[in-house]
Amino acid sequence: AQKVTQAQTEISVVEKEDVTLDCVYETRDTTYYLFWYKQPPSGELVFLIRRNSFDEQNEISGRYSWNFQKSTSSFNFTITASQVVDSAVYFCALSLVPDGNNRLAFGKGNQVVVIP
Amino acid sequence: DSGVTQTPKHLITATGQRVTLRCSPRSGDLSVYWYQQSLDQGLQFLIQYYNGEERAKGNILERFSAQQFPDLHSELNLSSLELGDSALYFCASSASGTGVHEQFFGPGTRLTVL
Repeated sequence: AQKVTQAQTEISVVEKEDVTLDCVYETRDTTYYLFWYKQPPSGELVFLIRRNSFDEQNEISGRYSWNFQKSTSSFNFTITASQVVDSAVYFCALSLVPDGNNRLAFGKGNQVVVIP
Repeated sequence: DSGVTQTPKHLITATGQRVTLRCSPRSGDLSVYWYQQSLDQGLQFLIQYYNGEERAKGNILERFSAQQFPDLHSELNLSSLELGDSALYFCASSASGTGVHEQFFGPGTRLTVL
């Protein structure tokens, strides 16, 4: 069965600090996709990034970066120079390709509070 | 704005009642997914439809049912409502039912059962 664990429940940072969110996943499949979604206080879920299991190259997109390590089954997400607008709940999610239906298994989420 | 619309935004009803939540996917998307977000269970996948056909079922109760219509909009029907059904219900859509594509979520319907 697939499972996503986000151990940190709430993280508070002062504006302009970096914040890293940990995500550990479990799956027996070799082909899968990982996602990060953001849920601001308004409630909607916003897609941020997607990474497939074949590509361990870490990337940076603006103030977001992610570190995918297959050996430790981790897909960590970093916000650089945090801003108050980054205050939200961030969800890590896993989708199995062999599943064929693209359903997402979500972690419990990390509440990020950016203090001005 | 994700392009996925959901109505109504809020719904307050009583135990034992039946409600219908509606979702319109992004233009061109054939797959619709329903998720439930509650404090105790987190975000859980309920059901997926692809081009009118049920594709996958998750943790969906027998009291709940869904369908996708020829115009691709979808409805989630919740019946014999219980207090524990109070939650935020999300609809998401993606381009295809096979392969893995990012899902774009609607704003959600907040259901309160009194």
